[in-house]
Amino acid sequence: QTVVTQEPSFSVSPGGTVTLTCGLSSGSVSTNYYPTWYQQTPGQAPRTLIYSTNSRSSGVPDRFSGSILGNKAALTITGAQADDESDYYCLLYMGSGLWVFGGGTKLTVL
Amino acid sequence: QLVESGGGLVRPGGSLRLSCAASGFTFSDYSMNWVRQAPGKGLEWISYISRSSSTIYYADSVKGRVTISRDNAKNSLYLQMNSLRAEDTAVYYCARVAVAGNPGWFDPWGQGTLVTVSS
Repeated sequence: QTVVTQEPSFSVSPGGTVTLTCGLSSGSVSTNYYPTWYQQTPGQAPRTLIYSTNSRSSGVPDRFSGSILGNKAALTITGAQADDESDYYCLLYMGSGLWVFGGGTKLTVL
Repeated sequence: QLVESGGGLVRPGGSLRLSCAASGFTFSDYSMNWVRQAPGKGLEWISYISRSSSTIYYADSVKGRVTISRDNAKNSLYLQMNSLRAEDTAVYYCARVAVAGNPGWFDPWGQGTLVTVSS
């Protein structure tokens, strides 16, 4: 069974930089999985931040960026702001009709 | 825009049919998905249907109990859920494949509809 791993929680200071990661329980994440990052606040639908590894969705501030770091996908927030405090989910397309979300990272800005 | 409906309270073992009304794009050009989120938990992809309904996938957690379908003439997506269990309690989102012909990621999403399975 494919498990997509994310840090359960992370904390960053206002103005600071944080990198969230998205890995696989077995194997490496590559661009072939179209890593996508979503931001979700309570009671709201997910919002696409980054798709296909490093493409920023329309209207997303450029302080959000995506990449592959080692064997994981990564979401970096540079210059974190208070309203970045949210849950962040990665999505991987495993192919053959299987999409898997990571467990999510709860980001605190304080 | 995607708008889900049909959620509600249902008893264990019961059935429910969710709908998702699409507007603002050519519905028949895009594959669609259902994603759910249990209270306080993460997102879980549960089903995919291709543009012409020729290809359908289900997550193991719901396989055999749910049926995805679509009506391109009505710009609508459906999820028939049977033999519901307490663990099916969740907000159910419909989500479009972001790029026609590329199944990699989902955007936009609906606002979700809550399904509660309880006696």
